[in-house]
Amino acid sequence: DIQMTQSPSSLSASVGDRVTITCRASQSIGNFLNWYQQKPGKAPKLLIYVVSSLQSGVPSRFSGSASGTEFTLTISSLQPEDFATYYCQQSYSTPSTFGQGTKLEIK
Amino acid sequence: QLQLQESGPGLVKPSETLSLTCTVSGGSISSSNNYWGWIRQSPGKGLEWFGSIYYTGSTYYNPSLKSRVTMSVDTSKNQFSLKLTSVTAADTAVYYCASRRRDGSSDYWGQGTLVTVSS
Repeated sequence: DIQMTQSPSSLSASVGDRVTITCRASQSIGNFLNWYQQKPGKAPKLLIYVVSSLQSGVPSRFSGSASGTEFTLTISSLQPEDFATYYCQQSYSTPSTFGQGTKLEIK
Repeated sequence: QLQLQESGPGLVKPSETLSLTCTVSGGSISSSNNYWGWIRQSPGKGLEWFGSIYYTGSTYYNPSLKSRVTMSVDTSKNQFSLKLTSVTAADTAVYYCASRRRDGSSDYWGQGTLVTVSS
């Protein structure tokens, strides 16, 4: 299975901050990398698919990029509703696998 | 807008079979654009992808679970289902059904259902 390693595992930040979360794949996954946001008691919500495509309805402060097998989710200016856990997912090969999550907390 | 809703027992005994159904509304399960899948989430293992099924019945399973997993689809009811055999406490988790696009991303999810394996 392809391993997805997210960093950091947790992050404290303030409203208005620029935040970056990284996900590294154990092997090449092309551009088959997706990002999800999950709030307590809720299902994950798709934010970005195939590295950098913004899902409909998702604010433009969210963006994604890639360099080789390292992928980045950036939130340009944190809003109160952005405090949640974020997961990356590779959909390049079966089984699809997720990162362990990054919990974004209010500083 | 698609809506998905899981249903099934919240408590299953060890060694028995976990059975869940996902009802899709707001669209047809026979859409050529979507696969349909199951993902579970437990504190110990995070998010785990079970597999996907197409409306034709074609399936892709997680190899680590393949011997215990069966997925099926009922286009007449706009539903798809999951069966997991020989469950143990390690199968206790929140189970989600979700649509899966051809790029592998899941854009619509059910609310999730907690299944506890206990005698």
